[in-house]
Amino acid sequence: DTEVTQTPKHLVMGMTNKKSLKCEQHMGHRAMYWYKQKAKKPPELMFVYSYEKLSINESVPSRFSPECPNSSLLNLHLHALQPEDSALYLCASSQVMGETQYFGPGTRLLVL
Amino acid sequence: AQKVTQAQTEISVVEKEDVTLDCVYETRDTTYYLFWYKQPPSGELVFLIRRNSFDEQNEISGRYSWNFQKSTSSFNFTITASQVVDSAVYFCALSETPVGDDKIIFGKGTRLHILP
Repeated sequence: DTEVTQTPKHLVMGMTNKKSLKCEQHMGHRAMYWYKQKAKKPPELMFVYSYEKLSINESVPSRFSPECPNSSLLNLHLHALQPEDSALYLCASSQVMGETQYFGPGTRLLVL
Repeated sequence: AQKVTQAQTEISVVEKEDVTLDCVYETRDTTYYLFWYKQPPSGELVFLIRRNSFDEQNEISGRYSWNFQKSTSSFNFTITASQVVDSAVYFCALSETPVGDDKIIFGKGTRLHILP
């Protein structure tokens, strides 16, 4: 089973809202990733957690705050987003960093 | 620096035709992985294949086949007898260090339309 789940599927939020995206995997993977994907572009890496520790932060603005409560869960907390943050947010996991990444279905975020 | 080039932005073929998606990569390392992912309109990136730099054997999986040639730094993907369900964006990707800190670098993707 190579399933990564993400909730919600769609999210509309105002610029003053606080919301969270959730990602879950039960494959025993120890690396988890957040990507942002704009229309007609490839995914762009945002964060990588390895063994529940933040390993890579690709200079993402602080209005995006990742959290890895345990080895199966990855959250992305959103606060004071801008309309340009509207995108598809993809979560992925891999056995360890550098191994094949398996992606979730994504959350389509619209910031008004 | 590592780089992945997918020169074909968009391709349209009629159902049942064969189609090849090109991928050219650049890397300084001798050890690396190459990947293909499929992204249908639903948005999920579906893993198709991983090939390590030491294995130049071509791979076939049903209607899909991959041709890895280190001499030309290419890792092309062919769909035989295409079907409408093959319509998607296909990304080629490169990871320089199999186990380590390195990230996957994606090409810009090729949007494939299979016309009924």
